[in-house]
Amino acid sequence: DVKVTQSSRYLVKRTGEKVFLECVQDMDHENMFWYRQDPGLGLRLIYFSYDVKMKEKGDIPEGYSVSREKKERFSLILESASTNQTSMYLCASSLPRGRNYGYTFGSGTRLTVV
Amino acid sequence: GENVEQHPSTLSVQEGDSAVIKCTYSDSASNYFPWYKQELGKRPQLIIDIRSNVGEKKDQRIAVTLNKTAKHFSLHITETQPEDSAVYFCAASGNYGQNFVFGPGTRLSVLP
Repeated sequence: DVKVTQSSRYLVKRTGEKVFLECVQDMDHENMFWYRQDPGLGLRLIYFSYDVKMKEKGDIPEGYSVSREKKERFSLILESASTNQTSMYLCASSLPRGRNYGYTFGSGTRLTVV
Repeated sequence: GENVEQHPSTLSVQEGDSAVIKCTYSDSASNYFPWYKQELGKRPQLIIDIRSNVGEKKDQRIAVTLNKTAKHFSLHITETQPEDSAVYFCAASGNYGQNFVFGPGTRLSVLP
């Protein structure tokens, strides 16, 4: 079965901490994405990557960075966590354009910043 | 950039009735429209999708229609069952699925 695994299901961090959210996929997908999900706002794209060591800003990149050193792993980094970054974070992966078009999502990480 | 609106935000139907969720998009270049279902506490999962060269697609009790002229597409669920209760997201993509813009979601409740 296709798998996208996020390292933590629930996370509580303090304001100002540096936070790492990890995502690993075992499907050899080129594309990987980080979204945050908030009530009434749906899914908003933070960053995405089409290849190793490649990254592109999404719609709400401020306060975040990413790392893709290996094809299967895409990390989201909160440089200095703030309370407005409390949210559900979803990782997704997909094959590139021209092949299978759909996303596969991870189970999500619910981050609370206190 | 692309903007996707979705209505209604909540929908309650009696078991066995039909449910319709509508989405509009702004970018006429969008050509791929997936629908995702997210059950409580679970990940979103693709349930059906449609490409711009097709007007309608069915998969058992689920169907999606696309009106490119009006820039809207709809999800139709017939003979609803309690397990259809979930949040449904529509999305649009302008380059065949590289990255999507999602609608805000519709919470569907199927009442027994």
